[in-house]
Amino acid sequence: DAGVIQSPRHEVTEMGQEVTLRCKPISGHNSLFWYRQTMMRGLELLIYFNNNVPIDDSGMPEDRFSAKMPNASFSTLKIQPSEPRDSAVYFCASSAGGPETQYFGPGTRLLVL
Amino acid sequence: DAKTTQPPSMDCAEGRAANLPCNHSTISGNEYVYWYRQIHSQGPQYIIHGLKNNETNEMASLIITEDRKSSTLILPHATLRDTAVYYCIVRSYSGAGSYQLTFGKGTKLSVIP
Repeated sequence: DAGVIQSPRHEVTEMGQEVTLRCKPISGHNSLFWYRQTMMRGLELLIYFNNNVPIDDSGMPEDRFSAKMPNASFSTLKIQPSEPRDSAVYFCASSAGGPETQYFGPGTRLLVL
Repeated sequence: DAKTTQPPSMDCAEGRAANLPCNHSTISGNEYVYWYRQIHSQGPQYIIHGLKNNETNEMASLIITEDRKSSTLILPHATLRDTAVYYCIVRSYSGAGSYQLTFGKGTKLSVIP
């Protein structure tokens, strides 16, 4: 099992540019989670999907952030336009649903200059 | 969600048992206790979880008090690779078939040679 796959692993961009982060969950998992981690705020849940449907996006910081899950094997988190305060590590996690354990990807380290 | 309280940091000598405490005095009867750890620059890694009974797996043991108000994660023979931030999480059900993990600040465990 390849685990949760995230790309890119590192992203450096300039303020105002569009950023797209990608996630491939573990095969057979039907829940997918996007988290953001910063030194100031720790690890925060941004949004989660169940069976490709967004369940709760209350953690999404503002309208500049959007997430999609077009099918069971792919999800994107988009920031447009990006700002320096968006610099963080973004993690994707998946689970088999219900109370099952969440498995995290290696993260995408985003730096917005 | 039940809140958890953990010491901010702990040291442990290599080869000795590491005992990481967690207080969750407001836990509800159907809430599980989960432990994750995050090694520097990696995504959080699942360790173990339990409801009432003590649990053991290849990584660690989880001891939950009879009143369920606290628990202890035990790494029986700590190695330098166990140096990480350890998160104790009480898992709640957020409805619509999905479960959230709310990460606190955790305990930074330093294993010393």
